[in-house]
Amino acid sequence: NAGVTQTPKFRILKIGQSMTLQCAQDMNHNYMYWYRQDPGMGLKLIYYSVGAGITDKGEVPNGYNVSRSTTEDFPLRLELAAPSQTSVYFCASSERGVGAKNIQYFGAGTRLSVL
Amino acid sequence: KNEVEQSPQNLTAQEGEFITINCSYSVGISALHWLQQHPGGGIVSLFMLSSGKKKHGRLIATINIQEKHSSLHITASHPRDSAVYICAVRQGGSEKLVFGKGMKLTVNP
Repeated sequence: NAGVTQTPKFRILKIGQSMTLQCAQDMNHNYMYWYRQDPGMGLKLIYYSVGAGITDKGEVPNGYNVSRSTTEDFPLRLELAAPSQTSVYFCASSERGVGAKNIQYFGAGTRLSVL
Repeated sequence: KNEVEQSPQNLTAQEGEFITINCSYSVGISALHWLQQHPGGGIVSLFMLSSGKKKHGRLIATINIQEKHSSLHITASHPRDSAVYICAVRQGGSEKLVFGKGMKLTVNP
């Protein structure tokens, strides 16, 4: 069972470069999330999606973009990378709704450094 | 003041000890989650609570809605319980989780 798969696991970017962090889930979950985790801080929500074609901003969306063209995939795009975006990024998914477990399943994370 | 506060920030215990991890929050919530982050970084959901108590193996989670407080108890602790334990709350009507900073637990053999 793959669950939530994130790629890449590690990446080093130069300031101003762009990249896409990939996230895919095979559990047919309707909700998907992107978080960042900075040292000594709690996870912060970047963007989330309640279903294909629907996305919304979280707590720290600036400098990021997302899309949700399918139920399975929820890529996170960084345009013009900045050192402040150095972090560990986690993708998560959950089944929400009547009778759903409402538990989030996390990917293994992507460690990104912007130098 | 953070909306979700966890205490203590770090805890070292001996194998076999009973451990309690606390979480206090300052907002109205519809649910509270406990998660475990392994030393390698992976995050696993342990419990979701909206009232009362839940038990899974050696883990027990309780919540007191009136006092805005939750506890995670680990009985007969083991070195493999060493991890960061994270509390997160979902505010009523919101899709978003607000996370605490986590508590690092080290269980020595």
